[in-house]
Amino acid sequence: GENVEQHPSTLSVQEGDSAVIKCTYSDSASNYFPWYKQELGKRPQLIIDIRSNVGEKKDQRIAVTLNKTAKHFSLHITETQPEDSAVYFCAARGGSTLGRLYFGRGTQLTVWP
Amino acid sequence: DGGITQSPKYLFRKEGQNVTLSCEQNLNHDAMYWYRQDPGQGLRLIYYSQIVNDFQKGDIAEGYSVSREKKESFPLTVTSAQKNPTAFYLCASSRDRLAGGTNTGELFFGEGSRLTVL
Repeated sequence: GENVEQHPSTLSVQEGDSAVIKCTYSDSASNYFPWYKQELGKRPQLIIDIRSNVGEKKDQRIAVTLNKTAKHFSLHITETQPEDSAVYFCAARGGSTLGRLYFGRGTQLTVWP
Repeated sequence: DGGITQSPKYLFRKEGQNVTLSCEQNLNHDAMYWYRQDPGQGLRLIYYSQIVNDFQKGDIAEGYSVSREKKESFPLTVTSAQKNPTAFYLCASSRDRLAGGTNTGELFFGEGSRLTVL
């Protein structure tokens, strides 16, 4: 099956700085790459996603880039705010297994005021 | 907010006991999933079901069982065979069941059930 690796496991930034989280995947047939944010004590929620036919997608302060050749994708958060503090999970939907997502281990992002 | 409901939120059990976690969704989603979350381990898939009366093992199915008798419901039983059951369990659903479909396959999660074995 698919294998998703996520780095770093923890990330601390000053408010206003940028944060970047990187993921790699193993299945070249994977076609869908979402990012989920989980605030402390809450459920994970989708914040942005990208399909394999797109290289970059932006939504306000959040952007995701995808490099299919290198099989990696990244989450970029600009002008970070304390409310961005959470655990972020990347995921990939394998091309050979119907429907299921494979998750990375998560990145604990802390934004200091 | 509605959508997908898990119960109970907190559960304590003695070693050797089976326990069932409830998951109900009113989103008319075809697919439902159970994940286990441990610190530093991410979200690990236990079982998933893409249609009523059918389900597949995920990556860590040993010691767990599920049923999918109704579209809305996907209960998870943690059996006494599960060696380390203390964890946070998340149920999720998604609209599509085909990787080639036009839907994104976005997962909608419940609020989770925290199981502690005493």
